[in-house]
Amino acid sequence: AQKITQTQPGMFVQEKEAVTLDCTYDTSDPSYGLFWYKQPSSGEMIFLIYQGSYDQQNATEGRYSLNFQKARKSANLVISASQLGDSAMYFCAMRGTNNDMRFGAGTRLTVKP
Amino acid sequence: EPEVTQTPSHQVTQMGQEVILRCVPISNHLYFYWYRQILGQKVEFLVSFYNNEISEKSEIFDDQFSVERPDGSNFTLKIRSTKLEDSAMYFCASSVRTDEQFFGPGTRLTVL
Repeated sequence: AQKITQTQPGMFVQEKEAVTLDCTYDTSDPSYGLFWYKQPSSGEMIFLIYQGSYDQQNATEGRYSLNFQKARKSANLVISASQLGDSAMYFCAMRGTNNDMRFGAGTRLTVKP
Repeated sequence: EPEVTQTPSHQVTQMGQEVILRCVPISNHLYFYWYRQILGQKVEFLVSFYNNEISEKSEIFDDQFSVERPDGSNFTLKIRSTKLEDSAMYFCASSVRTDEQFFGPGTRLTVL
């Protein structure tokens, strides 16, 4: 069975600093994908970044990068140069070979001015 | 930029009634999904749909739920007889392949 764990219910970061949001996973699938989504207070789910299990390089998308450590089964999200608009819930998710996707409990990030 | 759309944005229904939630995925996408999020909780996978059939469903997706792609554009989720605990935000998502899934804005379902 797949499992996604986000151990930080809440995180604070100073504006313009970098922050790392933790995510660990457990799966027996040989092929899987890891995702990060942002959910602002308005409720929509915004796709941020994707990492395939066979990708050799860590994914990056603008200020977002995914620190993928396959042996440790971790897929931490790094946000560089935090902005006030980054304040939101962040969900880590994993897609297995059967195309189902499981989400973690989320981390609420607050960016302080 | 193309996006997933969902209607209605908010649906209120009486317990025991049937509801149909509608989604229009991004036009060239091949994989379709439904998720739900009970208020304040994590997003939960319900079902994935590919090539006109369900490819995977979760334990939540019981006989009360069904999905359909009635034409080339819509993707619907039907709840046959709603229960109080079905109150949640329901998200539709779509993807070209099995990587990036783009979510719609959600339909908030309130069961009274």
